[in-house]
Amino acid sequence: LAKTTQPISMDSYEGQEVNITCSHNNIATNDYITWYQQFPSQGPRFIIQGYKTKVTNEVASLFIPADRKSSTLSLPRVSLSDTAVYYCLVGDGYSGGYQKVTFGIGRKLQVIP
Amino acid sequence: GAGVSQSPSNKVTEKGKDVELRCDPISGHTALYWYRQSLGQGLEFLIYFQGNSAPDKSGLPSDRFSAERTGGSVSTLTIQRTQQEDSAVYLCASSGTIDTQYFGPGTRLTVL
Repeated sequence: LAKTTQPISMDSYEGQEVNITCSHNNIATNDYITWYQQFPSQGPRFIIQGYKTKVTNEVASLFIPADRKSSTLSLPRVSLSDTAVYYCLVGDGYSGGYQKVTFGIGRKLQVIP
Repeated sequence: GAGVSQSPSNKVTEKGKDVELRCDPISGHTALYWYRQSLGQGLEFLIYFQGNSAPDKSGLPSDRFSAERTGGSVSTLTIQRTQQEDSAVYLCASSGTIDTQYFGPGTRLTVL
């Protein structure tokens, strides 16, 4: 399984764009990159997933360079409600295949008023 | 449809007692995961079920922990002879497509 590493915590002011980077040097050809968000006392929640280049949805953008050894989650104009722990994961992209992925310790984002 | 549900939401037990935690996955999801999360820590993988295949039990911390999934749907995580270090939030997730896991609200277990 590809291992992911992330710095532990970061602070940001409301209204700023926040970029959170994750390293996954051993990512395999079939692996997708998925980001989750976890609020206190809740289970993680899917944010965005991608394989290469750029993916955007209503919540965030995900930038993946050509070598796919890292990825960057971009949150536009964060608000206090974006304070959470963010996890990046890589895992086998075969639908119906073995999909065990492992969560690291994540990165805590604290949004400051 | 409904999301992943877990019961009970909170469980307080005495050291040495057995506990059962239940997970109802999203209907039709073939994959089911159990994780454990201690306060301020990341998620610790416990066990994984995929369809009718043999489960991956590689994350179970000791033989006091076991899990089963009946009929490919509901799963029960059993902890025998609970210890204080078992206190944590136990999270269940199910998945039906590529790597997207949908989590339940968790069961907070406190062992006194």
